[in-house]
Amino acid sequence: EVHLVESGGGLVQPGGSLRVSCAASGFTFENYWMSWVRQAPGKGLEWVANINRDSSEKFYVDSVKGRFTISRDNAKNSLYLQMNSLRAEDTAVYYCARGPVSGDYVRWFDPWGQGTLVTVSS
Amino acid sequence: DIQMTQSPSAMSASVGDRVTITCRASQGINNYLAWFQQKPGKVPKRLIYAASSLQSGVPSRFSGSGSGTEFTLTISSLQPEDFATYYCLQHHNYPLTFGGGTKVEIK
Repeated sequence: EVHLVESGGGLVQPGGSLRVSCAASGFTFENYWMSWVRQAPGKGLEWVANINRDSSEKFYVDSVKGRFTISRDNAKNSLYLQMNSLRAEDTAVYYCARGPVSGDYVRWFDPWGQGTLVTVSS
Repeated sequence: DIQMTQSPSAMSASVGDRVTITCRASQGINNYLAWFQQKPGKVPKRLIYAASSLQSGVPSRFSGSGSGTEFTLTISSLQPEDFATYYCLQHHNYPLTFGGGTKVEIK
């Protein structure tokens, strides 16, 4: 069974940094695009970042460019999101989600992890 | 950026009703559209990919249609477990963008 488990969320002050992680199991992690999607409290879904199988392609929503970095370690079946210069508006549940297998650009965001809450507040 | 406009933003319906949710893209996205269901306090779940392909394990009462700029998610006969918020997603261009959501509530 495919399983994604996020960790690393918590309370951080504005301007601070945090790294969230996602441990993957049940599939050949290195063959898939991976993504981060966030959801502010009571709000809708917002795509944050994508990374391809060998980390040669990374894409970000404009609001996090230059502050967030997506990365992966295929040997550890793990996905990461390094978040710097955090702002109150970054407060959200951060989900990791599996993207398509390389060569298939259709099957985005299935499944999702349970999410980890990041709260940016003083 | 491609804007995804969902309508309605909320609706009330009864068990057994046929429900249609629309998503309009600000520019053509071919069929690069997916639909997700999110129940309160739960993780989003993909229902439809490539505009009309049913995700494995999803009941056949869910269907998707459309291409270009206008897409619909149809629930042929609403069941109690279908009360949730539904989101569309375009993945034709970066940034990937979700619609604002449609909350389906019990009438």
